[in-house]
Amino acid sequence: DGGITQSPKYLFRKEGQNVTLSCEQNLNHDAMYWYRQDPGQGLRLIYYSQIVNDFQKGDIAEGYSVSREKKESFPLTVTSAQKNPTAFYLCASSYQGRTEAFFGQGTRLTVV
Amino acid sequence: AQSVTQLDSHVSVSEGTPVLLRCNYSSSYSPSLFWYVQHPNKGLQLLLKYTSAATLVKGINGFEAEFKKSETSFHLTKPSAHMSDAAEYFCVVSADNYGQNFVFGPGTRLSALP
Repeated sequence: DGGITQSPKYLFRKEGQNVTLSCEQNLNHDAMYWYRQDPGQGLRLIYYSQIVNDFQKGDIAEGYSVSREKKESFPLTVTSAQKNPTAFYLCASSYQGRTEAFFGQGTRLTVV
Repeated sequence: AQSVTQLDSHVSVSEGTPVLLRCNYSSSYSPSLFWYVQHPNKGLQLLLKYTSAATLVKGINGFEAEFKKSETSFHLTKPSAHMSDAAEYFCVVSADNYGQNFVFGPGTRLSALP
C-alpha cells in the first residue's frame, strides 16, 4: 500500500542531544513537509522540500535541520539548539500544484 | 497572503443531530480548500477538497462542504453525527502552486455525545 511512514512513533530525548525523526513515502510525491503540533494548536511548518537536494525553511525552522538526498526520504533532526522540542511532529507529502497533502501518523517527541 | 479562521474551538453535538463546523478564509488568489480530521495521537486524514470545480463538495464519512466565494467561507456539515466523528477538524487553504503555502486553521474539536 502506498503511504507515508514515520518512525519512531514515540521518541525520548535527553537535554542537549540531537535526535532524528524518519519520514519515508512511496507515493512518488515531489514535495515533502515537516510540521510541528503543540496541544490545542494548529500545525506550524518547519521545513519543506519541493525536489531532491533542495529544501526551504518554514515558519519555525530554528533548532531544526533536514536533508533530502532521496525522493522518498525527508528526515528531520531536532538539534540541541531547539529549546522546547517536546511536541507532536507530522510529516506530509504532495504532488506539485495545489493538491492535497498526505500525512504520516506522527512522532511524539518528549524531552526527559 | 492566506489565512484561515475556524470560528469555534469546540463544538458539541448529540449523536444523530447535524454537525456544522465553520471556516472562513482569506486569500489573494483563487484558493484550494481542504478539510482534514485528526483523531488523538494520529496523523491527519483528508475529508474533502475544493479545487475550483463544483462548489458543493462531498467527502468521506458523510461529510460535505460548500465553497461560497462571496462569503469567503467553506463550512463543513454532516446531517447526522456519530460518536466516531469525535475528533479535531482542520480547515486548510492553499493558494500556491507549490503547496508550501498550506495554511492551517487552529482546529475545531468536535464532541459527539450519546
